[in-house]
Amino acid sequence: GESVGLHLPTLSVQEGDNSIINCAYSNSASDYFIWYKQESGKGPQFIIDIRSNMDKRQGQRVTVLLNKTVKHLSLQIAATQPGDSAVYFCAVTGGGNKLTFGTGTQLKVEL
Amino acid sequence: DAGVIQSPRHEVTEMGQEVTLRCKPISGHDYLFWYRQTMMRGLELLIYFNNNVPIDDSGMPEDRFSAKMPNASFSTLKIQPSEPRDSAVYFCASSLARRNEKLFFGSGTQLSVL
Repeated sequence: GESVGLHLPTLSVQEGDNSIINCAYSNSASDYFIWYKQESGKGPQFIIDIRSNMDKRQGQRVTVLLNKTVKHLSLQIAATQPGDSAVYFCAVTGGGNKLTFGTGTQLKVEL
Repeated sequence: DAGVIQSPRHEVTEMGQEVTLRCKPISGHDYLFWYRQTMMRGLELLIYFNNNVPIDDSGMPEDRFSAKMPNASFSTLKIQPSEPRDSAVYFCASSLARRNEKLFFGSGTQLSVL
C-alpha cells in the first residue's frame, strides 16, 4: 500500500521567515498530491493541491513543489505568520483512488 | 454553506455501550468519507460513500463498526459495542470531485470510551 512520511515531526521558524515542510511518498503511480493544515481542535483544512503533470503550483503565500523522480513533495510558506502554527499533512492519491495521509509536521512559529 | 457538520463534538461513554456519530456533508457533494485520527496511527480512512452507496469499507476495523448513508445529506457511523481502543477523533469529510480529492472535513467527534 501507499506509504507517506514526513522528514521532520516538528519545525520551528521565526515569524517572517519562510517555512519548508517536506513529504516523501512511495508509490510511483501516485498522481495527485494535496496539503492540509490542521489547527488544534479542528478538522484538516485544504491548502493546495497539485497533479503529477505539474512540478510547481503557487497559491497565496504557499507553493507546492513536486519531484516525481525522487518521489518528494514540499510545501513552502512565505513570510510565516503566527496563524500558520498548526500540523501540516501531505496526502497522496495512488492507483487505488484512496487518499493516504502522512503523519504530519508540527509547525511552530516563534515571535 | 456551513461546511461539513458533525455531531456530537465530544462523546464520553462506557465500554460496551453503543455510540452513534453523525455527519451532514456539504450540499451537492457526491462523496462522503469517515476517517479516524489517533496519535499512533494518524488519519485512517474507514469507509467512503459515493452517491449514498458504500464503495470501500476495507478500513473499517471490525464488525463492531458500521456506517450508513440513508440520503445525500446524512450519514452515521456506529460502534457497538464500544471498546477503550476505539477512543479517537472521528472525522467526516465530503468531496465534490470524481475521486478522493480536495476533501472538506468537519470539526470531528472526540470519542472517549472508558
